[in-house]
Amino acid sequence: GESVGLHLPTLSVQEGDNSIINCAYSNSASDYFIWYKQESGKGPQFIIDIRSNMDKRQGQRVTVLLNKTVKHLSLQIAATQPGDSAVYFCAENNSGGSNYKLTFGKGTLLTVNP
Amino acid sequence: KAGVTQTPRYLIKTRGQQVTLSCSPISGHRSVSWYQQTPGQGLQFLFEYFSETQRNKGNFPGRFSGRQFSNSRSEMNVSTLELGDSALYLCASSFVTHTYEQYFGPGTRLTVT
Repeated sequence: GESVGLHLPTLSVQEGDNSIINCAYSNSASDYFIWYKQESGKGPQFIIDIRSNMDKRQGQRVTVLLNKTVKHLSLQIAATQPGDSAVYFCAENNSGGSNYKLTFGKGTLLTVNP
Repeated sequence: KAGVTQTPRYLIKTRGQQVTLSCSPISGHRSVSWYQQTPGQGLQFLFEYFSETQRNKGNFPGRFSGRQFSNSRSEMNVSTLELGDSALYLCASSFVTHTYEQYFGPGTRLTVT
């Protein structure tokens, strides 16, 4: 799910299919991960989070999987709908201790075809 | 409940000028964070304020500053604007500090010419 410059990774799915968006994070000491959704013209919207002591967490139609061995995070969206079309960002907290400092990935553009 | 509001929504400035952006958090939220979003660098954390104190700061030059008022409203200031400061500046609020379930505003689109 990382990108360079202006080119976002893109994922195009059919309505009703499941979507999987991937993200590689950078810091093995990161203790908290979040997925955000950003629709055009809007600010990011919190979707789901997961702590580093977990490997899976489920929400409504979404599941986040964390693989600390390979520093990989994924977001699964079940029965994808046109309203799910957006840019999806993963973020990690990697400042250590009690501080709070999120590092965001570049994002993945999800397009849902009706 | 009203969401996070940011003013202005769009702004055009010239190199060397300074700019002040405003953010009103959700009522009851005491933590306000600021982010810069650009196509090249993505979303980058600027700073976080809680109870009028800066709690955390990202890796930005001293030209970027902020403050928070007693009513939790926050402003950020960028002095001596550079072309590279053109970006979407996002404000996010949360009830407490050190939480990741933040609520973002729509952003202020700053263009530096």
